[in-house]
Amino acid sequence: GENVEQHPSTLSVQEGDSAVIKCTYSDSASNYFPWYKQELGKGPQLIIDIRSNVGEKKDQRIAVTLNKTAKHFSLHITETQPEDSAVYFCAASIYNSGYALNFGKGTSLLVTP
Amino acid sequence: GAVVSQHPSRVICKSGTSVKIECRSLDFQATTMFWYRQFPKQSLMLMATSNEGSKATYEQGVEKDKFLINHASLTLSTLTVTSAHPEDSSFYICSALDRGMNSPLHFGNGTRLTVT
Repeated sequence: GENVEQHPSTLSVQEGDSAVIKCTYSDSASNYFPWYKQELGKGPQLIIDIRSNVGEKKDQRIAVTLNKTAKHFSLHITETQPEDSAVYFCAASIYNSGYALNFGKGTSLLVTP
Repeated sequence: GAVVSQHPSRVICKSGTSVKIECRSLDFQATTMFWYRQFPKQSLMLMATSNEGSKATYEQGVEKDKFLINHASLTLSTLTVTSAHPEDSSFYICSALDRGMNSPLHFGNGTRLTVT
């Protein structure tokens, strides 16, 4: 089955700096890669996703890049703010097949003022 | 946007009793719903996949007789933890896949179960 590795497990940055979280996946059939933000005591919220026919996607301060050959994808948050502090999870799945998401272990991001 | 409602948000029960958790898709029809369990500071682990009108598919190591899943309609799935034990204490989260399958997976806000 699919195995998703995520690094780092914790990340501390100063407000205004950029944060990068990296993930690798094992199943070459995976074609959908969402990123979720989870705040304490809440369910995950989708922040951005990318499909395998695209190499990069951007939404304001958040961007995701995908390297299909290397089987890795990354989340980039620019101009970080304290409210960006949360746990971020990457995931991989086969879209439009009804398959469940395989999650990475999460990255706890702390943005200090 | 699509909303998944999960109820209750918190529940405390005594060991040996059963607890039911509901997951509803509020503005879309969900042919498939997924149930995850998350222990403190860990990732989400898939427990089972439920398709409307059919039996749920459980992941390896998840007891189907202990975690009963019912997906009787396109907008409602329930997870019943039977004969709960303290080790079942966890954060249970459901997610729902839009029937059109052309949208992302949406998650509920989770249920914190504490078994005393």
